Amino acid sequence: QQQVKQSPQSLIVQKGGISIINCAYENTAFDYFPWYQQFPGKGPALLIAIRPDVSEKKEGRFTISFNKSAKQFSLHIMDSQPGDSATYFCAGVTGTASKLTFGTGTRLQVTL
Amino acid sequence: DTAVSQTPKYLVTQMGNDKSIKCEQNLGHDTMYWYKQDSKKFLKIMFSYNNKELIINETVPNRFSPKSPDKAHLNLHINSLELGDSAVYFCASSQHGGDEQYFGPGTRLTVT
Repeated sequence: QQQVKQSPQSLIVQKGGISIINCAYENTAFDYFPWYQQFPGKGPALLIAIRPDVSEKKEGRFTISFNKSAKQFSLHIMDSQPGDSATYFCAGVTGTASKLTFGTGTRLQVTL
Repeated sequence: DTAVSQTPKYLVTQMGNDKSIKCEQNLGHDTMYWYKQDSKKFLKIMFSYNNKELIINETVPNRFSPKSPDKAHLNLHINSLELGDSAVYFCASSQHGGDEQYFGPGTRLTVT
């Protein structure tokens, strides 16, 4: 059962543009929603995260928008840079064991 | 200096063999995880240990057996390897109940 659906699968954005990745979840027990960034050959690394009682969180060029009633959240990358080219995973977290359920990933390519 | 380390980085073996992957973290965390990333980049949790106690055990063949000798180490032993076990395996750690998980660099397992 895929509890976190992520789109698009891949995304090509020009340098300076806005990258938008969307996720939808089913499990209402999720209490934390992180985004992880993964570069080729590396492990995922936490980029930014949000709790469901907040509708938006911004850290530098990265913003999460969260819609609890629609069970959807999205990542916006402003002024996208070639160094942002990576695979991005949204996720939901449940319980004290901090069980991470990942989305299917979005491969972002930022072109010059 | 490495926070979460895994050995080996690459592992090539034949079907039917038994192999182990080792993971160590020096972050002082008390919870560790194993994830499997398949060829389509999909990340799925396999196991989690908190202070040497198994707290998450997803639907994984019992050919996979995690072992945690202490809270800084979590090893993964795989018996009777199959072609479908080929994947990248990531170890991660966090504080129990903590939000951020720190991932290791991954072990690419290829079963021929």
